[in-house]
Amino acid sequence: DGGITQSPKYLFRKEGQNVTLSCEQNLNHDAMYWYRQDPGQGLRLIYYSQIVNDFQKGDIAEGYSVSREKKESFPLTVTSAQKNPTAFYLCASSPGTLPIRTEAFFGQGTRLTVV
Amino acid sequence: SQQGEEDPQALSIQEGENATMNCSYKTSINNLQWYRQNSGRGLVHLILIRSNEREKHSGRLRVTLDTSKKSSSLLITASRAADTASYFCATGAGAGGTSYGKLTFGQGTILTVHP
Repeated sequence: DGGITQSPKYLFRKEGQNVTLSCEQNLNHDAMYWYRQDPGQGLRLIYYSQIVNDFQKGDIAEGYSVSREKKESFPLTVTSAQKNPTAFYLCASSPGTLPIRTEAFFGQGTRLTVV
Repeated sequence: SQQGEEDPQALSIQEGENATMNCSYKTSINNLQWYRQNSGRGLVHLILIRSNEREKHSGRLRVTLDTSKKSSSLLITASRAADTASYFCATGAGAGGTSYGKLTFGQGTILTVHP
């Protein structure tokens, strides 16, 4: 089945730890995105990538890092520099590049909690 | 910064009634999209309207776009309890500007349909 897969579904992080959220897609999409969603809020863009080996900061990139070494993978690392990382993280992909002409497909999300 | 702002923030109706949600945005767009999110899940694409279109239909959904007012509305007719979800508008930016290449979401409208 084609789709976009995020793992794990739930993740717990201790203070000061880095954690990596996985996002894999087999849709052959060029563009991939990471969003953060806080309770009762909309989605805020963390990072996005239009092609392999290239990515840009979104609106709230501080404390996060990404890589795009393969077309199908776009992992997000939440570093210890992110002071309030507890949130719901959503990965998305869309076909084609600029401008955004088509819909985005979302994974089911990873809920990160700092303990 | 959020490109789209939805109104109302929450909407509660009875089954069979129509639900109307509005979205305003700030910069030029290539298209505007509406998504649905069930609680704790990823987003699902509903409909996309291009900047040169004024109205679009899909089943019980009707979307309008007024680029002169930088606003869009989503109408769900004959609502059902299963329509209960959060609804988000998202804009794909036009050429130029800092939003180029991004898919930017609003804060969302929480729709509750009572049986």
